Amino acid sequence: KAGVTQTPRYLIKTRGQQVTLSCSPISGHRSVSWYQQTPGQGLQFLFEYFSETQRNKGNFPGRFSGRQFSNSRSEMNVSTLELGDSALYLCASSPSTGSGNTIYFGEGSWLTVV
Amino acid sequence: GDSVTQMEGPVTLSEEAFLTINCTYTATGYPSLFWYVQYPGEGLQLLLKATKADDKGSNKGFEATYRKETTSFHLEKGSVQVSDSAVYFCALSGLSSGGGADGLTFGKGTHLIIQP
Repeated sequence: KAGVTQTPRYLIKTRGQQVTLSCSPISGHRSVSWYQQTPGQGLQFLFEYFSETQRNKGNFPGRFSGRQFSNSRSEMNVSTLELGDSALYLCASSPSTGSGNTIYFGEGSWLTVV
Repeated sequence: GDSVTQMEGPVTLSEEAFLTINCTYTATGYPSLFWYVQYPGEGLQLLLKATKADDKGSNKGFEATYRKETTSFHLEKGSVQVSDSAVYFCALSGLSSGGGADGLTFGKGTHLIIQP
């Protein structure tokens, strides 16, 4: 069974631009969540989608948004990029939602903002 | 809100040494607890998990026991190998985790270096 797939793996953007990252969950998984990893802040939860609905959101500004499609694939968007948005963005999927579910991570998308 | 505390390291050990990485947590209710491992340039891989008090998770020689009385989930391995060199993250999933209901709250990660 294929794992969580994220595209693109690496990208460089300029301040003020916007970026869209894509995620394909493990087949059959309906929950997709996104995390930001930086050396200073570590791993931080961005948001979770389940059945095309955002279930919860971490403490990030409104420039960070996401969506989930009917096939469970997800995208996240960051508008008006800032230098501090440079990070590894990790997508994760799980069969369902709830604290006991095992969450499987993709390899991430490395975003550099210059 | 929820939080996870773990030693950040780096922790340097010789091959075949005994490993303990401490992890303590603060959470409301009864969270599930996880250990994830991240190899250089890669995403996170689930190492083991426990969903209720006194559960022991184990995988690849690693073990951790969910201790509610001490709010801890320490990772142990009896004999480490060079291939175990990686960053290890303790995490919890529960109510109000990461600002929402089900997001994982992570510790800062422990960088483990195993020398031959």
